[in-house]
Amino acid sequence: DTAVSQTPKYLVTQMGNDKSIKCEQNLGHDTMYWYKQDSKKFLKIMFSYNNKELIINETVPNRFSPKSPDKAHLNLHINSLELGDSAVYFCASSQRGPSQETQYFGPGTRLLVL
Amino acid sequence: KQEVTQIPAALSVPEGENLVLNCSFTDSAIYNLQWFRQDPGKGLTSLLLIQSSQREQTSGRLNASLDKSSGRSTLYIAASQPGDSATYLCAAPAAGNKLTFGGGTRVLVKP
Repeated sequence: DTAVSQTPKYLVTQMGNDKSIKCEQNLGHDTMYWYKQDSKKFLKIMFSYNNKELIINETVPNRFSPKSPDKAHLNLHINSLELGDSAVYFCASSQRGPSQETQYFGPGTRLLVL
Repeated sequence: KQEVTQIPAALSVPEGENLVLNCSFTDSAIYNLQWFRQDPGKGLTSLLLIQSSQREQTSGRLNASLDKSSGRSTLYIAASQPGDSATYLCAAPAAGNKLTFGGGTRVLVKP
């Protein structure tokens, strides 16, 4: 019973391509997040959605566009991929925000841009 | 802007020794302080969450303390085991309800 799942687990692609990463949670949570973990292992928030509404949008290039078709899903579409986009992308969810409770993380999507 | 720092970046101990992991944060106006564990190639697993009104939180062999005035939290792991080998991250909610993570401490427990 996977709580937060992501697909694909690995993604290798060429520079300039467009790709999507999908995330689904079966915890009934209202809030979902996308994080990026770079090669130095620093984990940074990218986006947060609450009930399909964008509530956090960090300084992320507009090549990155999150989409939340319903509150159980938060997908990440990346246009015109660049070498610097290579990282591990984690999806997470919580019922409320981080000021009140912890988050549940997916296993990550390892993106390599060649 | 909240900044979270973890020192040391890596730690190696023999099995059975107690582990002490440090976390410091710059903005003491935090709602809580959270500790996570990350295994290689895996996502993060929540270990402990200490509310700002608490001084410590315990779960089994894990104990986390919080000193808001000095901007510090410490995670103690008693009687370490090889299965405790992982990266441990601390995080604090910042302004705008965003979770700010430290760089992590990579722990190796040698049998």
